Amino acid sequence: QVQLVESGGGVVQPGGSLRLSCAASGFTFSSYGMHWVRQAPGKGLEWVAFIRYDGSNKYYADSVKGRFTISRDNSKNTLYLQMNSLRAEDTAVYYCAKDLAVAVSLGPFDYWGQGTLVTVSS
Amino acid sequence: EIVMTQSPATLSVSPGERATLSCRASQSVSSNLAWYQQKPGQAPRLLIYGASTRATGIPARFSGSGSGTEFTLTISSLQSEDFAVYYCQQYNNWPPTWTFGQGTKVEIK
Repeated sequence: QVQLVESGGGVVQPGGSLRLSCAASGFTFSSYGMHWVRQAPGKGLEWVAFIRYDGSNKYYADSVKGRFTISRDNSKNTLYLQMNSLRAEDTAVYYCAKDLAVAVSLGPFDYWGQGTLVTVSS
Repeated sequence: EIVMTQSPATLSVSPGERATLSCRASQSVSSNLAWYQQKPGQAPRLLIYGASTRATGIPARFSGSGSGTEFTLTISSLQSEDFAVYYCQQYNNWPPTWTFGQGTKVEIK
């Protein structure tokens, strides 16, 4: 069965950095695009970043562009999100999510991890 | 930027009744529209994609319709496990961005 397990969340001061990881299993990781989506406490869902199945293309929400970097290691079945210059408004649960279709760069997300909480506070 | 607007914000429904949720896009997204269900403390779950195709394992009481800018999620007979927040999402534009609506909370009447 498909499993996505996020890790790396925690408390960080404004301006600090954090790297999130998402360990994938139960599917051919190297064949699917992957996403990060976040949800601020009590708020709705916000797409953050996408990486193509082979890592060749990456896209970001305007709110994180230039501060966050998505990457993947297909040999380790792991997705990453490097977050720099963190702000209070980046406080959220961060989910990794898998594309529904193989090797498609535009589609819905069929599996989600349980999320990891990032709190930006002094 | 495509903006997704859901209505109502909260829907109060009795078990066994029909629930109708709406989602409007600020410009056409064709049929590139998905619906997700989220329960407290859980990750979202994909219900519908392509505006009307049920995802694997989703009960037939969930149905989606619409195209262009107007979409509807219908739950034909609400079960206790259906009380949750529902989000629509577009995945149409290029370069790719994925935009969610603000959500509709379906609560017990």
